[in-house]
Amino acid sequence: DTAVSQTPKYLVTQMGNDKSIKCEQNLGHDTMYWYKQDSKKFLKIMFSYNNKELIINETVPNRFSPKSPDKAHLNLHINSLELGDSAVYFCASSQPTSGAGEDTQYFGPGTRLTVL
Amino acid sequence: GNSVTQMEGPVTLSEEAFLTINCTYTATGYPSLFWYVQYPGEGLQLLLKATKADDKGSNKGFEATYRKETTSFHLEKGSVQVSDSAVYFCALSDRGAGSYQLTFGKGTKLSVIP
Repeated sequence: DTAVSQTPKYLVTQMGNDKSIKCEQNLGHDTMYWYKQDSKKFLKIMFSYNNKELIINETVPNRFSPKSPDKAHLNLHINSLELGDSAVYFCASSQPTSGAGEDTQYFGPGTRLTVL
Repeated sequence: GNSVTQMEGPVTLSEEAFLTINCTYTATGYPSLFWYVQYPGEGLQLLLKATKADDKGSNKGFEATYRKETTSFHLEKGSVQVSDSAVYFCALSDRGAGSYQLTFGKGTKLSVIP
């Protein structure tokens, strides 16, 4: 069973369109994240949700809006896509606890977004 | 703020060579440290981790020791294989600061040739 899954795997679209990427985790984790990986492979946090509530929102254009219908899902909606949005987007989840290793995050396979 | 610095790549080694990828960090609290690996065309996989000073993480022949005195978490493997070719990311999660996001290094691409 896939622990963290994302759809679609590839997304090619025109500038100005609106698109969504879906993420689901079956690990029972409380916290989910979105990361962006640019063309140079650099990874940066975008958002973090804990039990459906936003806890981290890095400097991301407000065209990006995460939505968490339940704690197993964190979708990413992007309005008015721009060329610079082309990247690989990774979803991840973790289960913060008081024990050691609580920070371990498990990643989905990524969604490669190409804006033409 | 938190930061992770890892050696620039790409690194090219012959099969069975010894591998070291250096990683140092800056953190305000008490971070956990991680190495993630990204194989070509795939997502990130956790390779190993250490949650406190002097802990050693190990997996698939890779090792890294959490050195608080030198703020380092260098990745080592005694004998690399072609199948180890991938991009390796060092990362930290600073629990003391109350946030859970990972701060990544820029990644080191490893190519192992037969």
